[in-house]
Order: sequence, then structure tokens, then C-alpha cells
Amino acid sequence: AQTVTQSQPEMSVQEAETVTLSCTYDTSESDYYLFWYKQPPSRQMILVIRQEAYKQQNATENRFSVNFQKAAKSFSLKISDSQLGDAAMYFCAYRSSNTGNQFYFGTGTSLTVIP
Amino acid sequence: GAVVSQHPSWVICKSGTSVKIECRSLDFQATTMFWYRQFPKQSLMLMATSNEGSKATYEQGVEKDKFLINHASLTLSTLTVTSAHPEDSSFYICSARDPLGDYGYTFGSGTRLTVV
Repeated sequence: AQTVTQSQPEMSVQEAETVTLSCTYDTSESDYYLFWYKQPPSRQMILVIRQEAYKQQNATENRFSVNFQKAAKSFSLKISDSQLGDAAMYFCAYRSSNTGNQFYFGTGTSLTVIP
Repeated sequence: GAVVSQHPSWVICKSGTSVKIECRSLDFQATTMFWYRQFPKQSLMLMATSNEGSKATYEQGVEKDKFLINHASLTLSTLTVTSAHPEDSSFYICSARDPLGDYGYTFGSGTRLTVV
């Protein structure tokens, strides 16, 4: 099975600053999708950004961008101009395009935004 | 966008009783739904994959007789925790796949189960 590793259990950032959350994964597949989900205290899983493995261009969604390094199997999330509402648990996730279509989640990074 | 409604949002039950959790796709037909379990400050762990009209596929280590999954229609999957015990207390989240949607996976808002 695929594994997703988030090595930073907790991170903090000053409001308006930039923070990068790390994620690595292990897979033998060549075609897959990667995601970052945000889980605020409400526990609702919110999709932040997604990346198709076949695309070399890094995905960007407003203040959120990723650094996708396929060879290194790395998928980091950069949050620019951090806002108080960004405080949440962030999960990196992998989904195969081939079998099962299930998500494999990392252990999460708890992000604190300091006013 | 695709919306998945999960009900109830929280439930408290006594040991030995059964609890049913519903997961509904509100504006799309979901042929596949997923049930996850999340312990405090931990990640989501897939319990089972629910396919409409067929038996669910359970992940290794998940007791199928304890966690009954029924996906009788294209908009509803249910998870029944049978003979609940305190160790079943957890946060349960469903996810549904909209086959027509872009990437198409939407999560429900979760159910907090407390067994006393």
C-alpha cells in the first residue's frame, strides 16, 4: 500500500508570513493524484489544492501553492500571506488513478497562525 | 458543488447498543462511498469502501460484523456500529465519489460517536 509521510506534527507562522508544510510519499505507480486537505476544528475536510502526477507544472490556488517533485516523491504546500483562518490541521493525501480510488492520508500537520 | 450530508453529527449511546450513521449525496449519485475513522489528533483511516448494490469491501483489521455497511441506493450509505463499546468511540467520516465531478471526492462533516 502507498504511504504518505508528514514529518511536521506542528507548525506555526506569523500572520501575513509564509509557511511551508512538508509531505513525502511512497508509490510504485506513475499515474496518481496528490491532495492537501484542511481540517479546521469543525472537523469538516476541505480540499485546499490538488496535483495530477502527470503534470509538471505546480498547482496554485490563490495563496496556496505546491512544490511537486515527482522523482523525489515530495509534495509540499506553501501558504503565503497566512491568515488566522488558515489555522487548522492539514493532511496530505495520495490517490491512485488506477485501483480502488481510495485516499491514503498522512498523519497531519497542525498549523497555528500567530496574530 | 457536490455536497455530502452526514447524520447525526454527534451521538452518545450506551455500551451494547447499536448506532446507525447516514451518509447522503445531496446533488449527485454516488456509486462509491468510503468510510473513515479518525482518532483524536490522528489521521483518517479507511475502514471500508461501499459500493451501491453490492457488499462493502473492508480494510484489513476492520470487523465487518461490527461495522455494518449498507449502500442500498445511489444517494445513501449507512454505517451501523453494532454492540458498541467504549473503544468504538471515535470520529467517523464518509466520503462520496461523484463520477461526473472533477476529481469528484467530497467528504461529509463527520459523526462524533461516544459510547458510555
